[in-house]
Amino acid sequence: EAGVAQSPRYKIIEKRQSVAFWCNPISGHATLYWYQQILGQGPKLLIQFQNNGVVDDSQLPKDRFSAERLKGVDSTLKIQPAKLEDSAVYLCASSPGAFAYNEQFFGPGTRLTVL
Amino acid sequence: AQSVTQLGSHVSVSEGALVLLRCNYSSSVPPYLFWYVQYPNQGLQLLLKYTSAATLVKGINGFEAEFKKSETSFHLTKPSAHMSDAAEYFCAVSGGSGGYQKVTFGTGTKLQVIP
Repeated sequence: EAGVAQSPRYKIIEKRQSVAFWCNPISGHATLYWYQQILGQGPKLLIQFQNNGVVDDSQLPKDRFSAERLKGVDSTLKIQPAKLEDSAVYLCASSPGAFAYNEQFFGPGTRLTVL
Repeated sequence: AQSVTQLGSHVSVSEGALVLLRCNYSSSVPPYLFWYVQYPNQGLQLLLKYTSAATLVKGINGFEAEFKKSETSFHLTKPSAHMSDAAEYFCAVSGGSGGYQKVTFGTGTKLQVIP
């Protein structure tokens, strides 16, 4: 079975520019997560989708970050405008369900550097 | 509210020695607990999970963890370290409100294996 796909793998931008990340979850997985992982820290949840609806976006900086999951499959995460502190790895994960015992399957991540 | 504390951001062991990575959790509901491993430039991969079926949980690559409710701990162990075990390890606690999973990750422990 194919894993979670993410692109691009690396991105370097100037501050105040915009950037978008794409995620394709494992087929059939209803739940999709976007995490931000700053160097030396654990992943921090940005947003969680159940099918194409948002379940939790309490830690998403909504003034600059946005995310969508069209048709309950692929998802994009956008940052506009980027700040220096947005430099991090952005991880996408998917899960067959949203129950507390469900394992999450992670993609390889997109490493963003903001100059 | 839930949280995870991983003691020791860096742990070094000799090849063949015991690996012990510490994790303490806090949760207001019976928790589900996970250990994930992250190799350089890769996403997180599940090592094992506790779902209340058994307090001693065996995972992949010879790792195991024991759930101790009285100590609110879920430490990860492996009897004999291999060079290939060098990676970063994350403990995570999962609870839920409104029926949806909410996962909180620890800050991670980087394991170095010395030949």
